[in-house]
Amino acid sequence: AQTVTQSQPEMSVQEAETVTLSCTYDTSESDYYLFWYKQPPSRQMILVIRQEAYKQQNATENRFSVNFQKAAKSFSLKISDSQLGDAAMYFCAYRSDGSEKLVFGKGTKLTVNP
Amino acid sequence: GAVVSQHPSWVICKSGTSVKIECRSLDFQATTMFWYRQFPKQSLMLMATSNEGSKATYEQGVEKDKFLINHASLTLSTLTVTSAHPEDSSFYICSAPRPGRQETQYFGPGTRLLVL
Repeated sequence: AQTVTQSQPEMSVQEAETVTLSCTYDTSESDYYLFWYKQPPSRQMILVIRQEAYKQQNATENRFSVNFQKAAKSFSLKISDSQLGDAAMYFCAYRSDGSEKLVFGKGTKLTVNP
Repeated sequence: GAVVSQHPSWVICKSGTSVKIECRSLDFQATTMFWYRQFPKQSLMLMATSNEGSKATYEQGVEKDKFLINHASLTLSTLTVTSAHPEDSSFYICSAPRPGRQETQYFGPGTRLLVL
């Protein structure tokens, strides 16, 4: 079974600085999808960014980008120019190509300091 | 804007009663929806997959008679917590894949259940 590991329970960053959240996963599959979801205090899960495993190019969405290392099974999220509104729980998630189910990591709580 | 809605957003009930939570896909049809449970400061735990026109598929350890799921239409799935007990108090979230982006789950805003 696939597993997703987020080794940083908590992280903090100064406003306007850059922070990287780590995620590793374990799979024997070659085709899959990876996601970062944000859960602010409202608890609404918000898709931040997604990556298709067959694409070598790292996904980017404005201030959010990923460093996808397929061989290392690593999928880190970089948040540039951090804003107070970025404070939230961040969950890394895996979905195999043959299933609609998501496998979540335990999450990283990000605090943004003014 | 929101693509998946849930109702109610929060509910308080007495022990022994049943509670129904609705999950609706807005402006798209969803043959599959997912129900999650989240305890405070923890990750999401998949409870079951709701399938339109057929029985739900439950994850290991989830009591299907306790958590009844009905996918009544292509835009509506309901989760009924039967004979609720205080230990059922939790945050329940549904999600659905959106056509054209089937690999991506869109989540409802969640329902906070408190059983007294």
